[in-house]
Amino acid sequence: DAGVTQSPTHLIKTRGQQVTLRCSPKSGHDTVSWYQQALGQGPQFIFQYYEEEERQRGNFPDRFSGHQFPNYSSELNVNALLLGDSALYLCASSLTGQTYTDTQYFGPGTRLTVL
Amino acid sequence: DQQVKQNSPSLSVQEGRISILNCDYTNSMFDYFLWYKKYPAEGPTFLISISSIKDKNEDGRFTVFLNKSAKHLSLHIVPSQPGDSAVYFCAASAQYNFNKFYFGSGTKLNVKP
Repeated sequence: DAGVTQSPTHLIKTRGQQVTLRCSPKSGHDTVSWYQQALGQGPQFIFQYYEEEERQRGNFPDRFSGHQFPNYSSELNVNALLLGDSALYLCASSLTGQTYTDTQYFGPGTRLTVL
Repeated sequence: DQQVKQNSPSLSVQEGRISILNCDYTNSMFDYFLWYKKYPAEGPTFLISISSIKDKNEDGRFTVFLNKSAKHLSLHIVPSQPGDSAVYFCAASAQYNFNKFYFGSGTKLNVKP
């Protein structure tokens, strides 16, 4: 049973470029959340996708957008990259149930460096 | 705004002893709390959780305590093992803000043999 997978592992971009990160959820999961983890900080919630729609969003600008596909996999897109976007981007999957206490399972992350 | 805080960036403990990791939160609407463990080059791994209707939850060597009046939770690891050396994050969420988790900045635990 595959866990959460993310690609690519590492990525180097320059300021102003655009980037797309990909996530495949754990088998049986239907909800994907994206987090940004800056160096020395905890993960910060970007947004969550369920039934191919953005259900929740954190305090991130519109340069951050996402998508969820019918097979529940997801993409995170960041436009007009800034140096401050350099971080580890984590994807977490869960199964939306009757309660809100759904455990999230994290992937290994994509390390994005913006030069 | 940092709604979940872990004020100790690091903790060093001798193998076999108790490790106590602390976490404070400011939002009184938080009613579900989790601890995650993270090894280098891996994503955070779920460890243990607690709902606000409880003040203690145990799972093997791991126990989480919740003090709602103080808005404080702690993770106890007894006995500590070298394999427990990792970064530990606490996270919190509120029922009204479905599945949006707020994380602390983490505590790096080093268990010395």
